[in-house]
Amino acid sequence: KAGVTQTPRYLIKTRGQQVTLSCSPISGHRSVSWYQQTPGQGLQFLFEYFSETQRNKGNFPGRFSGRQFSNSRSEMNVSTLELGDSALYLCASSLLTAKNIQYFGAGTRLSVL
Amino acid sequence: TQLLEQSPQFLSIQEGENLTVYCNSSSVFSSLQWYRQEPGEGPVLLVTVVTGGEVKKLKRLTFQFGDARKDSSLHITAAQPGDTGLYLCAGELGGNQFYFGTGTSLTVIP
Repeated sequence: KAGVTQTPRYLIKTRGQQVTLSCSPISGHRSVSWYQQTPGQGLQFLFEYFSETQRNKGNFPGRFSGRQFSNSRSEMNVSTLELGDSALYLCASSLLTAKNIQYFGAGTRLSVL
Repeated sequence: TQLLEQSPQFLSIQEGENLTVYCNSSSVFSSLQWYRQEPGEGPVLLVTVVTGGEVKKLKRLTFQFGDARKDSSLHITAAQPGDTGLYLCAGELGGNQFYFGTGTSLTVIP
């Protein structure tokens, strides 16, 4: 069974640009969560999607947005990139019936120059 | 301000030693999880504890959830180089939303 797949693995952008990251959950998993990981702040929750609906949202500015498609694949978008957005962005999927168990992808390393 | 505080932040020990990592909060969690993350990878779930006072063992790792469900500890007996990694605790307040601690970076020296 394939794990959570995140693409791309690495990304370099410049300030002011926008970026879209992709996450394909484990087959059958309908919940997808996104996290930002930085050395100073650790792992911080961005948002969670289930059945194409955003159910939870963390404390991030509106520049961070996401969506989920009918096949449960999810994308997150960051507009008007800032230097502080440089981070590892992690996606996690889980089964509705075992919602305590999250399976993480390897992440997308975003560098903003 | 972090909802979950982990200590210590860094730990470097010799193979065979014992260690304990702490995860503390003033909030009550419906469940608490421990993960290990290795460089270039995402976190991997080690255990989930749900009941206050619960103790779970995973080979040489022992996890405990505080009676009030506000804190947890991870104890490793006879650490091995393969235990090296970033250990993260994560508390669930409800609704499948998890709050992570800042992590404990463990290095086990052969």
